[in-house]
Amino acid sequence: EAQVTQNPRYLITVTGKKLTVTCSQNMNHEYMSWYRQDPGLGLRQIYYSMNVEVTDKGDVPEGYKVSRKEKRNFPLILESPSPNQTSLYFCASSWQYSNQPQHFGDGTRLSIL
Amino acid sequence: ILNVEQSPQSLHVQEGDSTNFTCSFPSSNFYALHWYRWETAKSPEALFVMTLNGDEKKKGRISATLNTKEGYSYLYIKGSQPEDSATYLCAFMEYGNKLVFGAGTILRVKS
Repeated sequence: EAQVTQNPRYLITVTGKKLTVTCSQNMNHEYMSWYRQDPGLGLRQIYYSMNVEVTDKGDVPEGYKVSRKEKRNFPLILESPSPNQTSLYFCASSWQYSNQPQHFGDGTRLSIL
Repeated sequence: ILNVEQSPQSLHVQEGDSTNFTCSFPSSNFYALHWYRWETAKSPEALFVMTLNGDEKKKGRISATLNTKEGYSYLYIKGSQPEDSATYLCAFMEYGNKLVFGAGTILRVKS
């Protein structure tokens, strides 16, 4: 089954404790992206990647890191999480061309205390 | 930061009503316009991706139009059903492939 898999689905942690949210897709998509969703603000793009070893900042990259060492994986790293990063996070992937839709994972709800 | 605006913010209609929403986006550096349907406790699902001025797409009772010169897209739902209740998101993709979402239109259809 074609899918985008995020882990963990839920995480409660404390300020400053490094964490990684993994994202993996099995569709051989070139384009992968991370979003955060906050009430009233819609989905905001954190980082995106056009292909292996190619990453670019979205609108809200501060406090996050990403890497794209393999085509299928695009982990989101919070080196020193803070409470303002409490949010619902989505990973998505697509073919690289503009007329292709994003396929979203099920979301990861992070709470930073 | 690019601004993508959706209106109305929310909409309550009766079953059988037809309805439409608007997505406004920058008219420069246009690459594509995406529409997604997002049900509560699920992840967004793609409805349409449009790339050409004048594009019209249709899927069942849902259709969309695109005007890139003036920077807007309309999403239409004909004969709304309770299962159409969801948040409808549009997203503007500019050259360089950054994707910017609007805040969404929440649709509630009463039976």
